[in-house]
Amino acid sequence: KQEVTQIPAALSVPEGENLVLNCSFTDSAIYNLQWFRQDPGKGLTSLLLIQSSQREQTSGRLNASLDKSSGRSTLYIAASQPGDSATYLCAVRAGGTSYGKLTFGQGTILTVHP
Amino acid sequence: GAGVSQTPSNKVTEKGKYVELRCDPISGHTALYWYRQSLGQGPEFLIYFQGTGAADDSGLPNDRFFAVRPEGSVSTLKIQRTERGDSAVYLCASSLRIGGGIHEQFFGPGTRLTVL
Repeated sequence: KQEVTQIPAALSVPEGENLVLNCSFTDSAIYNLQWFRQDPGKGLTSLLLIQSSQREQTSGRLNASLDKSSGRSTLYIAASQPGDSATYLCAVRAGGTSYGKLTFGQGTILTVHP
Repeated sequence: GAGVSQTPSNKVTEKGKYVELRCDPISGHTALYWYRQSLGQGPEFLIYFQGTGAADDSGLPNDRFFAVRPEGSVSTLKIQRTERGDSAVYLCASSLRIGGGIHEQFFGPGTRLTVL
């Protein structure tokens, strides 16, 4: 059974810092990995999707990397801003018979102080 | 529509009652997913549809939970004899298709279910 773990559970940083969020998964036979943002009381907003054949994806100040063989992904946020404060979730999509579903980590709660 | 929509946004019910939660996916998306998110946790998979059929319902916790998608578009998640432990946010997502290509899942705002 796939398990996804995110470290740290919470992170508080001053504005302007570069930061790294970590995600690990136990079964490397994944189809893709997505990073999401969730604001309090809201749904999920997709940030980046990395296919299993890719090593990284970039969007603006966000960069996500994937090391499938070691079961790890990192989300790098450059020059953090108070508006980045949210919960960040990573999710892996399996292959095989569990093809459609995403398995999520518990999330990292990020607070960026002005 | 522009995105995935879910109704109602909030539902309060009493223990033992029956509830229906509705999801309207992005137009043209053939795959539809239901997840459940408890407080402080990541979403947990319940069921997904490819077209009208349930391709994987392995996440449904018990037989009180049932979902349909009769015309391959709108889906309804049905919960019978609700229990307090069913209280959670129910999220719906859709994607273009299951097989091949990049099929990013887009999520709706969720329905917050509270069972008193």
